[in-house]
Amino acid sequence: DAKTTQPPSMDCAEGRAANLPCNHSTISGNEYVYWYRQIHSQGPQYIIHGLKNNETNEMASLIITEDRKSSTLILPHATLRDTAVYYCIVRPQGGSEKLVFGKGMKLTVNP
Amino acid sequence: DGGITQSPKYLFRKEGQNVTLSCEQNLNHDAMYWYRQDPGQGLRLIYYSQIVNDFQKGDIAEGYSVSREKKESFPLTVTSAQKNPTAFYLCASRDFQGGGNEQFFGPGTRLTVL
Repeated sequence: DAKTTQPPSMDCAEGRAANLPCNHSTISGNEYVYWYRQIHSQGPQYIIHGLKNNETNEMASLIITEDRKSSTLILPHATLRDTAVYYCIVRPQGGSEKLVFGKGMKLTVNP
Repeated sequence: DGGITQSPKYLFRKEGQNVTLSCEQNLNHDAMYWYRQDPGQGLRLIYYSQIVNDFQKGDIAEGYSVSREKKESFPLTVTSAQKNPTAFYLCASRDFQGGGNEQFFGPGTRLTVL
């Protein structure tokens, strides 16, 4: 079972920041937070991951709370192409072989 | 370009027939995976392989078989024993030796059994 909880859907206006929340209250000390997204009828795409420090790459920023029980993925300037299902996953670095994908959260970016 | 290819994108088969889905990667990744996705659901792991000539069952291996004769290839056979084979099948790979944890996914094959 997925160890994370995400709202089922969210809307965002094009050009605005999209803040995608994720709760992982049972996260263990050695587990990382990973984010993937899946555009309709395509394979999932890796976005970013982190342990406890905030992370940023060319796609997004990941903010993890100090107690690590929740995190927020930030798309700074959402575009129509960011419309997708976003999955928040926790897993140990180099640990279990499978990624446990829950139902994720559908982000719709509106013009 | 480096990446993972799956073919075909759409596949139709009659009930009772075995069908093999192709997955090829040129990323030199050691580990490869097969997932199944049903409408509105997350991904479920079918089989995975960390090295050539070795593979392990995932959560829903019944009715499926795999082989890993080459590092680049990890074909999945959906047998007639799989009771509900219509689904979206995704192949992925990971640089297991390098310690990276990101899985890279192919574009998927949508299988419809008539």
